[in-house]
Amino acid sequence: QSALTQPASVSGSPGQSITISCTGTSSDVGSYNLVSWYQQHPGKAPKLMIYEVSKRPSGVSNRFSGSKSGNTASLTISGLQAEDEADYYCCSYAGSSTYVVFGGGTKLTVL
Amino acid sequence: QVQLQESGPGLVKPSQTLSLTCTVSGGSISSGDYYWSWIRQPPGKGLEWIGYIYYSGSTYYNPSLKSRVTISVDTSKNQFSLKLSSVTAADTAVYYCASSKYYYDSSGYYGPAWYFDLWGRGTLVTVSS
Repeated sequence: QSALTQPASVSGSPGQSITISCTGTSSDVGSYNLVSWYQQHPGKAPKLMIYEVSKRPSGVSNRFSGSKSGNTASLTISGLQAEDEADYYCCSYAGSSTYVVFGGGTKLTVL
Repeated sequence: QVQLQESGPGLVKPSQTLSLTCTVSGGSISSGDYYWSWIRQPPGKGLEWIGYIYYSGSTYYNPSLKSRVTISVDTSKNQFSLKLSSVTAADTAVYYCASSKYYYDSSGYYGPAWYFDLWGRGTLVTVSS
């Protein structure tokens, strides 16, 4: 069982927006602005999409955005494209004992 | 541009030690710009962080794996390595090496930035007799 809770799957049509939630606790997501999000296509390595809750690395489309409220972080993808179909994982710093926790992953299907 | 490449045996027997190496190219481990990490993913499952190392040898480990894990660095070869002892079938996974920027701020914090910006392609390790 993963430390962070994500929905197993979400779906949307091209052009629509979707949001993936990532629920943790006051020991991880709620205490630190150190949430990151990763996109993983089948058979490929994960790719960093969002870091420090809402920052985008160079080269990542501005269709991807992140936010946080309390113990829940969210990844929003606007203007869905077929290439966005992938698994998405959230990750958070969890303090000086546990350090790093991941969510169980969400499969995004573009209909 | 920094690139990471994992290498090591694809098959390990139960109770033995899994050993993997990550070779860093396009940059120097000794630059101190990054922390270096291992992350694994069992087939069809999610990601699990294993641990971090800095070029100085400073480490952080996942407490659930700490008793079985050793991460080391060889700056002369620009490599860092993972050893996982007493493996079982549950340790079957794709093992990734990854990097996190070295971070420091005005509050006095210094250490990894706690996100993984570069990843290797991963290597599948199967634990089976």
